[in-house]
Amino acid sequence: ILNVEQSPQSLHVQEGDSTNFTCSFPSSNFYALHWYRWETAKSPEALFVMTLNGDEKKKGRISATLNTKEGYSYLYIKGSQPEDSATYLCAFTNDYKLSFGAGTTVTVRA
Amino acid sequence: GAVVSQHPSWVICKSGTSVKIECRSLDFQATTMFWYRQFPKQSLMLMATSNEGSKATYEQGVEKDKFLINHASLTLSTLTVTSAHPEDSSFYICSARGGAPRGPLHFGNGTRLTVT
Repeated sequence: ILNVEQSPQSLHVQEGDSTNFTCSFPSSNFYALHWYRWETAKSPEALFVMTLNGDEKKKGRISATLNTKEGYSYLYIKGSQPEDSATYLCAFTNDYKLSFGAGTTVTVRA
Repeated sequence: GAVVSQHPSWVICKSGTSVKIECRSLDFQATTMFWYRQFPKQSLMLMATSNEGSKATYEQGVEKDKFLINHASLTLSTLTVTSAHPEDSSFYICSARGGAPRGPLHFGNGTRLTVT
């Protein structure tokens, strides 16, 4: 079992504000880092798959960075909207299997 | 695209009975399917990996005789919880990968199992 830590566990953000949170993972034998968004009563949806150190990916107002040497990734939400409320999961893999963090639950207040 | 259907969404069963959970990829061929379990406030824990036509690979600590996994086709995998007990009550979710080994997983909606 690979140790993947996400912080904070939860956060509240005012609509329109930006926020970010962290995923920490083992820095050795890196293969890929995944981010998923999991809305209530839905299935987790893939946001990004990141494979290269220094990678930056963007999807609308959401973006992510990756540092494989120090073992962390940040997810940023710019100008948060109520529809961004969800649990964001990161998952690390050093082969074909993914080890998930416990997630960061984001609640956007209108 | 890449839709995974998991059924049932929730099930309540009596202790000692068996429960089957189905996971289907609707619009792609799932070469590999993963079964996860999640306890409250915890992360998704991988139970087993299944490839079409071959035996599932179970993670350490997961009893293969208790959690039977069948991946008979490229679009269907099933998880059967045999002789369920209250401690098996949990959230079970499947995911599938159809393409590249580093590609994203496509998840079902999950199954909430309650054993009374």
